[in-house]
Amino acid sequence: GAVVSQHPSWVICKSGTSVKIECRSLDFQATTMFWYRQFPKQSLMLMATSNEGSKATYEQGVEKDKFLINHASLTLSTLTVTSAHPEDSSFYICSATLTSGGTDTQYFGPGTRLTVL
Amino acid sequence: QKEVEQDPGPLSVPEGAIVSLNCTYSNSAFQYFMWYRQYSRKGPELLMYTYSSGNKEDGRFTAQVDKSSKYISLFIRDSQPSDSATYLCAMPRTSGSRLTFGEGTQLTVNP
Repeated sequence: GAVVSQHPSWVICKSGTSVKIECRSLDFQATTMFWYRQFPKQSLMLMATSNEGSKATYEQGVEKDKFLINHASLTLSTLTVTSAHPEDSSFYICSATLTSGGTDTQYFGPGTRLTVL
Repeated sequence: QKEVEQDPGPLSVPEGAIVSLNCTYSNSAFQYFMWYRQYSRKGPELLMYTYSSGNKEDGRFTAQVDKSSKYISLFIRDSQPSDSATYLCAMPRTSGSRLTFGEGTQLTVNP
């Protein structure tokens, strides 16, 4: 159990285009999902916290108009990178929170590698 | 000062060795402690989850927490080449809240 999927697993796009990344909790419902980005040989950097049915909470320095997050259901959150540029190239990872036995645990998706040409 | 400190390594050990991975933290508000394993170009995988001081064992893995010293460890017994990955410690302030990650330790187990 506790499987989180991401689609696509990798994407290459031209500068100026928008890219949508989907994050799904496959076998559980997640009220809260998180979006991270990770550069090579670095740890995960939290971008935003996504709560179902409400606006995402962005971390300081993350442009909310550039990284649009929608959490339309308890099993799906999407991240749209708008007007992507080469500096947006990165590994984007989502996580979904599973509540069980009174504790909350974050389970991560496999990541999406974005390359902007 | 970072809230969570972790030696990034790299750490290289021979197959069968006991591996010790460690993190220190400065914020006593951290109550829950997790270890994730991340293979190259993959998302992190939860290995261990603890919330009290002491040891927790799961197969070849043992997580140890010392809240008085603000120090946590992950031990891997009989290490295997398949254990080669980056290990990240992570802590939420409360159950379910955002995680604060260590930098991650890159481990290589040589056959």
